[in-house]
Amino acid sequence: GNSVTQMEGPVTLSEEAFLTINCTYTATGYPSLFWYVQYPGEGLQLLLKATKADDKGSNKGFEATYRKETTSFHLEKGSVQVSDSAVYFCALSNQFYFGTGTSLTVIP
Amino acid sequence: NAGVTQTPKFRVLKTGQSMTLLCAQDMNHEYMYWYRQDPGMGLRLIHYSVGEGTTAKGEVPDGYNVSRLKKQNFLLGLESAAPSQTSVYFCASSYRNRGGTDTQYFGPGTRLTVL
Repeated sequence: GNSVTQMEGPVTLSEEAFLTINCTYTATGYPSLFWYVQYPGEGLQLLLKATKADDKGSNKGFEATYRKETTSFHLEKGSVQVSDSAVYFCALSNQFYFGTGTSLTVIP
Repeated sequence: NAGVTQTPKFRVLKTGQSMTLLCAQDMNHEYMYWYRQDPGMGLRLIHYSVGEGTTAKGEVPDGYNVSRLKKQNFLLGLESAAPSQTSVYFCASSYRNRGGTDTQYFGPGTRLTVL
C-alpha cells in the first residue's frame, strides 16, 4: 500500500544552519510528491512539489529532489531563518497520504 | 477570494452530542477533503468528494458522515461524538486530481474537544 515516512522531530536549529528533513515513501506506480508547511495556528499550504522522477521542486529557498531509486523526497534549505519555524509535511500523490510532520524551530 | 473557510473555529461537545462542521470554497474546485490532525499521527483522510453529490471514504471514516449537496460546500457530521474524536479538523479542496498532481488548498482548521 501507499505510505509516507518522515523523520521525527522536533528539530531545533540556529539561524543560518543547514536543514534536511528526510522523507521516504512506498507507492505503486509513479506518484507525485509534495511538501506542505503549517505555520502556527494555520492550515497547511503547499511549499513545493515534484511530479516525476528526478524533478526538483523549489520554493522560498527550499528544495527537494524526487529520487525514484531511493524512493525519497528529502527537504533541504541551505540557510534557515527564524521565520521558517513551522511543521513540515511530506505527502504522496493524490495527497491522501501525509507523513506525521516534522516540527522545526529556528533560534536566533 | 476567501479561499477555503471553515465554521466553527472552535467547539466543545459532550459525549453523545452531534454537530456539523462546514467547509466552503470559492475557487470552483471539484475535489474536497476532510482530514483530522492528531499529535504524532499527522493528517489522516476522513472522507473526500470528487464532485457535487459524491462522497467517498478515506482512511478513518468511522463515526463521521459527509455531504456535498453544493459544489462549494462540504459538510462533516458527527452523529454521536466520542472523546476519541477530539482533534483538529482540516478541510481542503483542489481543482481536480489529475494523476495526483494538483495542489490542495487548506482551511484554517476547527479545533474540536469532546468531553
